Amino acid sequence: GNSVTQMEGPVTLSEEAFLTINCTYTATGYPSLFWYVQYPGEGLQLLLKATKADDKGSNKGFEATYRKETTSFHLEKGSVQVSDSAVYFCALSVSSGGSYIPTFGRGTSLIVHP
Amino acid sequence: DVKVTQSSRYLVKRTGEKVFLECVQDMDHENMFWYRQDPGLGLRLIYFSYDVKMKEKGDIPEGYSVSREKKERFSLILESASTNQTSMYLCASSLYTGRNGYTFGSGTRLTVV
Repeated sequence: GNSVTQMEGPVTLSEEAFLTINCTYTATGYPSLFWYVQYPGEGLQLLLKATKADDKGSNKGFEATYRKETTSFHLEKGSVQVSDSAVYFCALSVSSGGSYIPTFGRGTSLIVHP
Repeated sequence: DVKVTQSSRYLVKRTGEKVFLECVQDMDHENMFWYRQDPGLGLRLIYFSYDVKMKEKGDIPEGYSVSREKKERFSLILESASTNQTSMYLCASSLYTGRNGYTFGSGTRLTVV
């Protein structure tokens, strides 16, 4: 079956530090890959996506590159802010029996201190 | 902006009550999903639908049912609410292939007392 594994949190950083959240996946076929962000008490918001190998998704200073050879989609940001504190979910979507049901990782909590 | 709207942000219901959670999307999406989110367990799929009147069980359908009479609306029904159904419920929608991502509602925090 399909699965997404992401690093456990919480990840605690100081403001302006470099962020990496690792994500690896297992899927049959060629998945689309996503990063979502969830702020406290809210639903998930799409942060960025990539639909084919070597694509780079980017948004709000966050980036992730679709690496087919390592089945990875690591999230990076060069300089985090306190407002980036949230839970981040890696996800994939691929056809399974004709349906496209997303598979989500467990989420990684990011805490950024001033 | 595309939107998924969940009818309530917070609900408190009594054990044994029948509970309806409503979700409406305005994007003409084929797929709609209901998840519950609990600390340490991530997102768990309850039911999904890929077309009007079509529904498929997810990972944890027990105690729930769904209804999709119109394309834009997907309802989650707790036939007889129990305290172990206290949770955050999230609705999402997408185009059929999901390639553009999944749009989530703001969630409904349900407490069953």
